[in-house]
Amino acid sequence: QSALTQPASVSGSPGQSITISCTGTSSDVGGYNYVSWYQQYPGKAPKLMIYEVNNRPSGVSSRFSGSKSGTTASLTISGLQAEDEADYYCSSYTSSSTWVFGGGTKLTVL
Amino acid sequence: QVQLVQSGAEVKKPGASVKVSCKASGYTFTNFVIHWVRQAPGQRLEWMGWINADNGNRKYAQNFQGRVTLTRDTSASTMYLELSSLRSEDTAIYFCARGHRDLRIQGDYWGQGALVTVSS
Repeated sequence: QSALTQPASVSGSPGQSITISCTGTSSDVGGYNYVSWYQQYPGKAPKLMIYEVNNRPSGVSSRFSGSKSGTTASLTISGLQAEDEADYYCSSYTSSSTWVFGGGTKLTVL
Repeated sequence: QVQLVQSGAEVKKPGASVKVSCKASGYTFTNFVIHWVRQAPGQRLEWMGWINADNGNRKYAQNFQGRVTLTRDTSASTMYLELSSLRSEDTAIYFCARGHRDLRIQGDYWGQGALVTVSS
C-alpha cells in the first residue's frame, strides 16, 4: 500500500487560509469516507483534527475543516495562527481493511 | 479520562525482537480497536497494523507481514506489539492509538510513544 500523496510543505501568513491536499486512489480515499487528518508538533504524538472527511472532534477549532472530491481529500485551515505551525497527516481506510497515511505536510506560518 | 500509556525506550541489536506495551484506561477496553503506528526520525507516520480488543482479530500492513505480531491481554487492558528480525531501519518511535470499531473515528487518543533504537 503506497502512502497517500501530500505536498511536502505549505505556508501562509497569519489570518490567511491554506489548503492541504491528500491524493489517493479508488481503493482508499476515493472508495471510503473514512479519511482523517492529524496535527503533529515535533516530538509529540499526533492529534486528531478531522475524522470521516469533515467532522471535527470536540475541542478542535472550527477554523479547521475537511472535504473530499473523488480521490483527493483536503484540509483547510482558515484564519491562520502561529500555533497552527506543525506537520499535518491525512489517513484513509483501504479496501484491504488496512489504513494508510499520507507523506505529511509541513505548515509554516510566515 | 482516556489514557494510553506505553512502555519505555528500548535498545536492541540487529536481528533481535522487541515487545512494546500499551496500557489503556478510562474507557471500556473491549469496545475499541488499537492501531500501531511508527515514525522513524524525521520521517512520516507509518501504519503497522490494528487489533480488535474484543475478539482479537488483527490486520497487518503488508510491509510488516511476517515480522509483526499484535496481541492483547484483556484482563490487563493492555495491547502488545512485537517486531522481530530488527534492523537499523526499524529505529523509530512506536505509537499506539485508539480507534472506534465502526471505523468512523480513528486515532482519537494516542500513547506517548516508545522509542526503539536498533544498533550494534
